[in-house]
Amino acid sequence: SQKIEQNSEALNIQEGKTATLTCNYTNYSPAYLQWYRQDPGRGPVFLLLIRENEKEKRKERLKVTFDTTLKQSLFHITASQPADSATYLCALDYGGSQGNLIFGKGTKLSVKP
Amino acid sequence: GAVVSQHPSWVICKSGTSVKIECRSLDFQATTMFWYRQFPKQSLMLMATSNEGSKATYEQGVEKDKFLINHASLTLSTLTVTSAHPEDSSFYICSARSYSADTQYFGPGTRLTVL
Repeated sequence: SQKIEQNSEALNIQEGKTATLTCNYTNYSPAYLQWYRQDPGRGPVFLLLIRENEKEKRKERLKVTFDTTLKQSLFHITASQPADSATYLCALDYGGSQGNLIFGKGTKLSVKP
Repeated sequence: GAVVSQHPSWVICKSGTSVKIECRSLDFQATTMFWYRQFPKQSLMLMATSNEGSKATYEQGVEKDKFLINHASLTLSTLTVTSAHPEDSSFYICSARSYSADTQYFGPGTRLTVL
């Protein structure tokens, strides 16, 4: 069965630095790979989607890369701020008619002032 | 746009009772709705997928008679936890997806505590 690993449970960085989160998967590549933010006691909020034929996607301070050879996605937050502190989830979407997502456990990011 | 609401946001009930959770897409028509469960420090685990007007598809290990799902309209799905037990205590999250969308939009979640 498909396994998803997010590099670490927790990542602590200083404000202003770039946070880099990793998502690795086994088996075959998904049609889409998505990143979500989840705050404590809340549902996930969609951030970015990248397709298997795309190498990179950007949105404001966020950047996602997708390497189907390495079976890895990197999620970057540049000029990080304390307000970026949250758990970030990657999710695989194999593009079936139902659109099911397979989630990783998430990485809890803490940005210190 | 793409707002999904859930009600209630939290509920405490006694063991053996049933609890109903509502999930609504407020500004779009959701052809497919999903129900997830999340235990502390764990990932979201898909419980079932439902399409409007048809029976839900349950993931392996999820009891369909215990977790009743109804998707009666394009904007409303309900999850009923029947005869709840303490081990059913969890964070239940729904999401909705329109036919043309690439992604799902999640509700804020419902914290269920069974005493």
